Amino acid sequence: DAKTTQPPSMDCAEGRAANLPCNHSTISGNEYVYWYRQIHSQGPQYIIHGLKNNETNEMASLIITEDRKSSTLILPHATLRDTAVYYCIVSGTASKLTFGTGTRLQVTL
Amino acid sequence: GAGVSQSPSNKVTEKGKDVELRCDPISGHTALYWYRQRLGQGLEFLIYFQGNSAPDKSGLPSDRFSAERTGESVSTLTIQRTQQEDSAVYLCASSHDRVLGAFFGQGTRLTVV
Repeated sequence: DAKTTQPPSMDCAEGRAANLPCNHSTISGNEYVYWYRQIHSQGPQYIIHGLKNNETNEMASLIITEDRKSSTLILPHATLRDTAVYYCIVSGTASKLTFGTGTRLQVTL
Repeated sequence: GAGVSQSPSNKVTEKGKDVELRCDPISGHTALYWYRQRLGQGLEFLIYFQGNSAPDKSGLPSDRFSAERTGESVSTLTIQRTQQEDSAVYLCASSHDRVLGAFFGQGTRLTVV
């Protein structure tokens, strides 16, 4: 599975959009981009995934560049409850999802 | 139930004892995964079941670890002769197929004393 690179931490003001970047320059054609988050002391939570096209659901939007070498997870109106570690994962299947160190997002008042 | 259920939620065991951890996946989910998360660290993949295919056991750290799954339902992770380094939160997840996102349970916190 391709390796991903994420900033270790980010801050976001409550009510503003949180844009979390992820680089995956070695992604191959059949690999998906998955985003999960883990709120302190809880199990990881699936957020969204995509292959080529941008995706949106009730939680977030996923923007994938045309060359697929990077993506951005967008939380349109961050709240304090969105404070978590966000993981960007690239995988050919949902098996063996390799969780790196992720981005610790701190949403502040 | 609506989500992945794991039991027990907490387990304290003495070094050298065997433990069994249980996972009830979301009904209809054919894929089931086990992960381990040590304190302050990331998730380590342990094992993956998909339907009737042979499980992917490539993440099991030693032969003291084993897992079984009954059809497309409950799974048990067994750790024999537990060691202190086995202390961690053991997380189970399930998904509808190999591509869709996985849904995690709340985990079993195992403490070996």
